[in-house]
Amino acid sequence: RKEVEQDPGPFNVPEGATVAFNCTYSNSASQSFFWYRQDCRKEPKLLMSVYSSGNEDGRFTAQLNRASQYISLLIRDSKLSDSATYLCALEAAAGNKLTFGGGTRVLVKP
Amino acid sequence: EPEVTQTPSHQVTQMGQEVILRCVPISNHLYFYWYRQILGQKVEFLVSFYNNEISEKSEIFDDQFSVERPDGSNFTLKIRSTKLEDSAMYFCASKSTGMNYGYTFGSGTRLTVV
Repeated sequence: RKEVEQDPGPFNVPEGATVAFNCTYSNSASQSFFWYRQDCRKEPKLLMSVYSSGNEDGRFTAQLNRASQYISLLIRDSKLSDSATYLCALEAAAGNKLTFGGGTRVLVKP
Repeated sequence: EPEVTQTPSHQVTQMGQEVILRCVPISNHLYFYWYRQILGQKVEFLVSFYNNEISEKSEIFDDQFSVERPDGSNFTLKIRSTKLEDSAMYFCASKSTGMNYGYTFGSGTRLTVV
C-alpha cells in the first residue's frame, strides 16, 4: 500500500456544485495532516490543516478519520478558480517532513 | 505575508555540470526542506535540515546532492554532476515549530538538464 494515496481524477464539477474526495494513508503514527492546492507548474500552497474534530474554512471542509486512516476535503459552491490539483500531505512528527499524495485534479466548468 | 524565496526560477545546464539552487527561508523558521517534482509526478521529499545539520534524507538524495546553510539566511542545494533525470522542479520549504503548522513553499526552480 502506498504511503499516501489519492484518486488522481479529474473530477469534473459544474460551477456551484459540491465535490468531495479522500486521501488514504498507511502510517498510523501520522500526526499532522494538511491539504495543499497546486496550480499547474506552481508551488504547493497550504489550503488548510486538518484537525481531529474536522474543520471548515469558508467553502472548504476537511475531515480526519483516524480509525480508517483517511482525510477528506469537501468544496461547496465550487468556483472556476477552484480548478487545481489538491494534494494531501501528512507529517509523522513535528518538523519531520511532509509526505505528499499524488494529488486529485479538480476541474470546475461553467 | 512572509514568503520563501528561490533563485533562479529557471536553470538550464549541461549534463555533468554542477548546479546550485538557492533559497531564502522565512526568517523565524527553524526547519528547512528541499523537495522535487518531476513533470507529471508527485512532490517528493529530498532532505530536511534543522539546527545546522541534515535531519533526514531520502533515497533520492545520494552523494551527488548536498545542502548548506552558509549564513543566517540562505539555504542551498547543490547537485555536483547533473544527470538528465535530475530535470525537475525543485521546491524549497520552511516551517516553524509545532504541530499543525503547515510548510511554506517557495515558487521553485525549474531545472532542465540537457
